Amino acid sequence: DTEVTQTPKHLVMGMTNKKSLKCEQHMGHRAMYWYKQKAKKPPELMFVYSYEKLSINESVPSRFSPECPNSSLLNLHLHALQPEDSALYLCASSQPTGKDTGELFFGEGSRLTVL
Amino acid sequence: DAKTTQPNSMESNEEEPVHLPCNHSTISGTDYIHWYRQLPSQGPEYVIHGLTSNVNNRMASLAIAEDRKSSTLILHRATLRDAAVYYCILRKYNFNKFYFGSGTKLNVKP
Repeated sequence: DTEVTQTPKHLVMGMTNKKSLKCEQHMGHRAMYWYKQKAKKPPELMFVYSYEKLSINESVPSRFSPECPNSSLLNLHLHALQPEDSALYLCASSQPTGKDTGELFFGEGSRLTVL
Repeated sequence: DAKTTQPNSMESNEEEPVHLPCNHSTISGTDYIHWYRQLPSQGPEYVIHGLTSNVNNRMASLAIAEDRKSSTLILHRATLRDAAVYYCILRKYNFNKFYFGSGTKLNVKP
């Protein structure tokens, strides 16, 4: 199984809502990532978890709250978002540091619209 | 973190080779060179990666300059399905940081 599964595929929320994005992988990867991608732009790194611990936070606003409850799951909790947060949110996984497989496996993304 | 520079767009004819360049003049000795591509409405997918030597796989070849300040992704026979945005990325060994450059949009003409 070489898939990263993201749910939901589409999400529309108001600025006062609380919602969550979910990501799951069963490849035994111990590093998981959240990226944000605006239209016609490259993906921007948001967070990295390594062995279920947050290792990188790219100065992301606190209205985005990541969570890694176990080695297969990664969540992104959303609260009080702004319309400019509308984007495609991509989850990825890989072998952790020190292992040169190097390959990132991406999900198809969750397209978020904030009204 | 080292940066990469790529042309915004390139065009190729179907069944011809394509050479996609990437400059990374500030690369350090522990940076791996990665290439990913993103087809429309999909997440990026891995293409190839290398450190110093040229690399081949079923999808493509990666040619790395001797000073490692540039690299070229080679698609040997472009197909219409290869039309995508191709990203050149540097990954520091032992760090889970993959920063995407601006990418090259490849258009393949029939």
